[in-house]
Amino acid sequence: DAGITQSPRHKVTETGTPVTLRCHQTENHRYMYWYRQDPGHGLRLIHYSYGVKDTDKGEVSDGYSVSRSKTEDFLLTLESATSSQTSVYFCATDDSGTGGVETQYFGPGTRLLVL
Amino acid sequence: DAKTTQPTSMDCAEGRAANLPCNHSTISGNEYVYWYRQIHSQGPQYIIHGLKNNETNEMASLIITEDRKSSTLILPHATLRDTAVYYCIVLSGGWAGNMLTFGGGTRLMVKP
Repeated sequence: DAGITQSPRHKVTETGTPVTLRCHQTENHRYMYWYRQDPGHGLRLIHYSYGVKDTDKGEVSDGYSVSRSKTEDFLLTLESATSSQTSVYFCATDDSGTGGVETQYFGPGTRLLVL
Repeated sequence: DAKTTQPTSMDCAEGRAANLPCNHSTISGNEYVYWYRQIHSQGPQYIIHGLKNNETNEMASLIITEDRKSSTLILPHATLRDTAVYYCIVLSGGWAGNMLTFGGGTRLMVKP
């Protein structure tokens, strides 16, 4: 357990509204990730961060943006939520150094329903 | 990263060993095999990983074939709490850390 919390844990919103999900970690891990999990697709990477203010796109980044102003917080924003973004969102952190073999620790997830 | 193939589901009797296979025939020399699991409604949990030698930790053992084209995760004494979806992932390290792409995984059901 890497001290990862996600908020909110559950959210229902309407199409077209902006939504921000928060991931908070207490372990000072450098790397942080946002994934979405949908039935039949496993986990898919949305965005990741390799340091404060350093972020990059993952496999399914369209419609999402991220920000990381502090080491401990990684925010995921859905600019204008769509029903296709209904999913379970997981945050993960990574204690790797400059590369090589490492593991990721996952938060408990946020269930988002877009109506 | 190499693609992996796993059976969709497996059953195991409580107290017996659970052997979960994974095929990764296109694995390259610098790629590791990782195993994660996900218990219902929780985030994924790391189990074990290896490059070419067999590995063991407090949770499981990982057996990798000599040609590295397949591996088996072994839970030596499965309990009901081991019921979960198990993901086999192949990946290499990189400057941006490791990006985990999970496929469908194997749904393991441990039965009393």
